Amino acid sequence: QSALTQPASVSGSPGQSITISCTGTSSDVGSYNLVSWYQQHPGKAPKLMIYEGSKRPSGVSNRFSGSKSGNTASLTISGLQAEDEADYYCCSYAGSSVVVFGGGTKLTVL
Amino acid sequence: QITLKESGPTLVKPTQTLTLTCTFSGFSLSTSGVGVGWIRQPPGKALEWLALIYWDDDKRYSPSLKSRLTITKDTSKNQVVLTMTNMDPVDTATYYCAHSVESWFDPWGQGTLVTVSS
Repeated sequence: QSALTQPASVSGSPGQSITISCTGTSSDVGSYNLVSWYQQHPGKAPKLMIYEGSKRPSGVSNRFSGSKSGNTASLTISGLQAEDEADYYCCSYAGSSVVVFGGGTKLTVL
Repeated sequence: QITLKESGPTLVKPTQTLTLTCTFSGFSLSTSGVGVGWIRQPPGKALEWLALIYWDDDKRYSPSLKSRLTITKDTSKNQVVLTMTNMDPVDTATYYCAHSVESWFDPWGQGTLVTVSS
């Protein structure tokens, strides 16, 4: 069980769109539609932004969207806002009720 | 409204056993499909899943830490307890508990920082 691979950092200007990738294997991301994404501001607990690959919890902006292709899941944030600056983590079910997180991506809004 | 809060020691010595309690409200751990998970985050580092316990008392552990972890629940007290044996300075982290459905976690507790030092 290895951590999912995310880029260490991404950046974008206000109003732009960015995409964060999350690469796993055929044993986790590739086998299940159970990828979730979390936003974490400094000193705060993570917040669920996407579950089951592309579903948004109530209250999460529709600027956040999720998708998957093969062993790679993606989080797209459109219309970037300053408040989106945070760390983002992906998470996938890996079978046998085991869960694995990604290494995290720091989003900087320029 | 679902809330969770972690409690336990802020400082433990190397080789000691850590016991953390997650006290929750707004849901029942006897409801089908519901679980509570533990996740930790070393300072400046990534999240790491530790363990999950489900409504039916099914328990799952991170393969890399399985030998050191035990998760239990007390449904009547709305509590989940995580114990981790043989603590080491590398286990210094903020420990979170979270409500879980399927494999996602929502919401999370505020976290509790545990430092391992002699």
